Amino acid sequence: EAGVTQSPTHLIKTRGQQVTLRCSPISGHTSVYWYQQALGLGLQFLLWYDEGEERNRGNFPPRFSGRQFPNYSSELNVNALELEDSALYLCASSLQGVNYGYTFGSGTRLTVV
Amino acid sequence: EDKVVQSPLSLVVHEGDTVTLNCSYEVTNFRSLLWYKQEKKAPTFLFMLTSSGIEKKSGRLSSILDKKELFSILNITATQTGDSAVYLCASPVSSASKIIFGSGTRLSIRP
Repeated sequence: EAGVTQSPTHLIKTRGQQVTLRCSPISGHTSVYWYQQALGLGLQFLLWYDEGEERNRGNFPPRFSGRQFPNYSSELNVNALELEDSALYLCASSLQGVNYGYTFGSGTRLTVV
Repeated sequence: EDKVVQSPLSLVVHEGDTVTLNCSYEVTNFRSLLWYKQEKKAPTFLFMLTSSGIEKKSGRLSSILDKKELFSILNITATQTGDSAVYLCASPVSSASKIIFGSGTRLSIRP
């Protein structure tokens, strides 16, 4: 069984640009969660998608957005990139709900210069 | 506000030592406490604890939860260089359908 897959693995962007990160959950999982892990900081909750709908978002500005497709894969979009957006972006999926934990993808390392 | 706090932030020990990592939490309608190991990128699941006083074990790793005092510890005995990683403590916030994480403990094992 394939795990959670993310692409690309690494990305370098210039301040002000836009970026799209992609995630495919484990087969059968309908919920996708996005987290940001800046250097030296813990995982910060970004977004939760379930059945194609945004169900919850963390304390991030509107330039962080995303969507979930009918096949449950998801995209995270970040507009007007700022230097402090440099981080590891992790996607996770869950079958039984958050009480049982997530399975994480390997992440996308975004560097904004 | 729901929160998870870990200590210490970092720890350096010699191979063969035993370490104890701490996690305290304040979570409304607490359901479970999770431990993850993060070596390079993807955090990998270690334990889920729901009952107080019952130890979970996996090889040299073990963890226990105290729901009265609102904390958990992760023990690693006879540490090896492969144990070097960031250890994350987390708890689901069911009302928000998300998991909140502590800042992690960076453990470094010296040969």
